[in-house]
Amino acid sequence: GAGVSQSPSNKVTEKGKDVELRCDPISGHTALYWYRQSLGQGLEFLIYFQGNSAPDKSGLPSDRFSAERTGGSVSTLTIQRTQQEDSAVYLCASSLIYRQGNSPLHFGNGTRLTVT
Amino acid sequence: SQQGEEDPQALSIQEGENATMNCSYKTSINNLQWYRQNSGRGLVHLILIRSNEREKHSGRLRVTLDTSKKSSSLLITASRAADTASYFCATVLLGANSKLTFGKGITLSVRP
Repeated sequence: GAGVSQSPSNKVTEKGKDVELRCDPISGHTALYWYRQSLGQGLEFLIYFQGNSAPDKSGLPSDRFSAERTGGSVSTLTIQRTQQEDSAVYLCASSLIYRQGNSPLHFGNGTRLTVT
Repeated sequence: SQQGEEDPQALSIQEGENATMNCSYKTSINNLQWYRQNSGRGLVHLILIRSNEREKHSGRLRVTLDTSKKSSSLLITASRAADTASYFCATVLLGANSKLTFGKGITLSVRP
C-alpha cells in the first residue's frame, strides 16, 4: 500500500513569504507527527496529532508555525513570514495508536525547505 | 538538549565486519526504537525494544537495552555496503504518550 506522502518535495521561498507543507499519512493511521531536521542534526519534534486534535504542540518554534489536520487524515504545516533559519527538511510520520507509543513511525521522504 | 545521544558520531567499517552503535538517554523510558535514514530519504523503523526487555533480534540486527545504565546498543552483523546510512535511536518517555524523541544519529559507512 501507499506510504506517507509529502508535498512538495522541495520548496524554495523568499524570506518573508508564507509556505504550506502537506502530509498524507498512511490510511487508517490515527497519529501524525511533524519533525524538522537541519543539516547533520537529529530530528526536532514539532507537533503531534491524535485524530484531528494536537495534544502536544510543544515543539513549534514560534507563533509563525501552525499545523492542522482535517478528517483525521491530511495535515498541513504552515510557516508564516519565513526566515532563513527555517531552512531545513520537514518530515512527517504517521503511526497506529496503541498503548504508550508501542507503534513504529512511518516516515515520508520530507519537504526540503530553502529560504533565500 | 537531546534525550538520546548516539555514540560514535561516525563509524567506518569494511564489508563483512560487525558494526556496533550505542545510545544513551537521560530519563525513564517506555520503549526505545532504532531507525535508519538513507541520504535524502525519510527514516525507516528497524526495531523496537520495550523497557522490560533486555535483548531483541531481527535478521542481522541485535539490540540490547540496559535500563540501569540508561543505554542501548545496536549491532549489525556481517555488514553490507547497503547498510551505509545514518542510524538514530529514539525514545518514548514514560508518561509521554506517543511522542518519540530522537538523537542526532550515527553515520555508518560500509566500505565494499
